[in-house]
Amino acid sequence: EDQVTQSPEALRLQEGESSSLNCSYTVSGLRGLFWYRQDPGKGPEFLFTLYSAGEEKEKERLKATLTKKESFLHITAPKPEDSATYLCAVQATSGGSYIPTFGRGTSLIVHP
Amino acid sequence: DAGVTQSPTHLIKTRGQQVTLRCSPKSGHDTVSWYQQALGQGPQFIFQYYEEEERQRGNFPDRFSGHQFPNYSSELNVNALLLGDSALYLCASSLGAVIQINEQFFGPGTRLTVL
Repeated sequence: EDQVTQSPEALRLQEGESSSLNCSYTVSGLRGLFWYRQDPGKGPEFLFTLYSAGEEKEKERLKATLTKKESFLHITAPKPEDSATYLCAVQATSGGSYIPTFGRGTSLIVHP
Repeated sequence: DAGVTQSPTHLIKTRGQQVTLRCSPKSGHDTVSWYQQALGQGPQFIFQYYEEEERQRGNFPDRFSGHQFPNYSSELNVNALLLGDSALYLCASSLGAVIQINEQFFGPGTRLTVL
């Protein structure tokens, strides 16, 4: 069974204080690892897809990296508008179903 | 271009009742997937509809059923509601039968409360 564990559950940062969110996964054949941002009362918004170990993607203050067992979402010099819940999800290649498995998310609050 | 729309926004039901939630996909999309997101949890895949048929299904009981119409809109039906069905129900639209979650656009969700 595919599993995704995100840590920490919650993170409070001061504006400008860089940090990283972790996503550990267990999957039988990784098809892709995905990061989403979810604001309160809204659906998830897609951020990045990572396919293989060593891959990195960047978007503004966010950078996602991938190893064979985990992914990190690095937030550099965050701003209050980066406050949101960040979700990680995986899709496996086995079975052909491609049903995604999401983690519980990390709730990030950035104080001005 | 309207994105994914869902109705209603909020809904309150009592145990044992039945509920129907509705979703209109983003223009140009033909596939609708439904997810359940309990408070403090990540979304859980319920099922996917393509060409008016259920193509993939997650680990949900038969109380959860759906339908897709010729205009690609979709309904999620839940029978015999339980307290544990209280959650945010998300609809996501995409193009094509294969689940490409990085190409899915999510709606704002319907918040269902079961009392």
